[in-house]
This record gives sequence, C-alpha cells and structure tokens, in this order.
Amino acid sequence: DAEITQSPRHKITETGRQVTLACHQTWNHNNMFWYRQDLGHGLRLIHYSYGVQDTNKGEVSDGYSVSRSNTEDLPLTLESAASSQTSVYFCASSDEVAGPYNEQFFGPGTRLTVL
Amino acid sequence: GQNIDQPTEMTATEGAIVQINCTYQTSGFNGLFWYQQHAGEAPTFLSYNVLDGLEEKGRFSSFLSRSKGYSYLLLKELQMKDSASYLCAVRDSNYQLIWGAGTKLIIKP
Repeated sequence: DAEITQSPRHKITETGRQVTLACHQTWNHNNMFWYRQDLGHGLRLIHYSYGVQDTNKGEVSDGYSVSRSNTEDLPLTLESAASSQTSVYFCASSDEVAGPYNEQFFGPGTRLTVL
Repeated sequence: GQNIDQPTEMTATEGAIVQINCTYQTSGFNGLFWYQQHAGEAPTFLSYNVLDGLEEKGRFSSFLSRSKGYSYLLLKELQMKDSASYLCAVRDSNYQLIWGAGTKLIIKP
C-alpha cells in the first residue's frame, strides 16, 4: 500500500544546531507540503513543492529550507534551530492541486523539541 | 487577512448528534475540507464541499453556504471513537489550504 512516512518521529536538539526532518511518500504524488502544528493554531504551511526541483515558501518559512531532488522525498531543514521551532511537524502529499477533492495525505508527524 | 473560526471544544453524548460549525473569510474559495485528527496522530480526510448544500457520507455530513462563508460538519450516532479534533480547511485563490485551529470533540458515555 502507498504511504507517507516521516523520520525521526521524535527529536530533541539544542538551540543553534542544524536539523533535518525526512519525508518520504510512495503515492507518486507531485505535490508535497510541510506544516507545523502548535496548540491554538491551525496547521501552518512552511514550504511546499509541486514537482522535482520546484520549491515554494509558505506562511512561516523563515528559518526553514527544503529541496526536492526526486518525486518521493521532501526533506525539511532547520538551519539553526530555535526554541520557537519546537512543534509537531507534518508532511503531506497530494495528487493534483486544483481538481475536485485532491485531499492531502498526511505523514504521522515528527515531534521536535529545541532546548 | 484570512481567517477560519471554529469552536475550540465541544462535548456530546454517545449515540447523540453533534454539529461543528466553521466560518471563514479567505481570499478566494476553491473548496472546503473537513479532517479528523485523533490525539497524537495525523489528520485524515473526512469530506469536501465546493458547491452549496449538503454532502452525506455515512454517519458524517458536511454542509456549505458560500454566500455566508459558513460550513458545518454533522456527526450522527456518536461513538466513543469519534472523540477527536475536527479541522476545517479552505482552499484559497492560490489553491493553498488555510486551516482552522480545530474543534476538540469530547464524547461522554
């Protein structure tokens, strides 16, 4: 069965360190997204990609970067981790952008703590 | 700015019916989604509305009024497993999803 996985599931790091969160999908979807979820806020879009070599900034992209070298993977890098980046991070993918339905499928999430 | 409002928390009784409301103000509209998220898990897709009216899917129904910027999710015959957060999301003119903060639904026996 097709799926979307994230690793690690939990990560504790220190302020100033570089951290990379992995996202891998076997749906063969063109579109991939990174969100963060914090109490009292809806999911907030960090970066997204509509295909290989395509990346775009979302609502809360400062301090984060992504790269898309193949269809299956969209790693998220925190250049210099800050305590404000403590959050749960979700990766998602979808087939098309504008058609009916085209719901996003979510990975299990990564809980990141920055000390 | 873009805004989606949902109640923070609701409580209902097993076997009953509950309606979760969502109001939105977004730059453009290209559909509204409802997702379910159990604690500690990923959101999963429940329903999609793009035209006014009611969409029914088993025990769950979702309604949309575009002129009022309003949707609701109706859950019937509540079961304990329905205890979860319910997220409303609107796809805006850029085809990005704008998410509400979610409604935590507590089911009591």
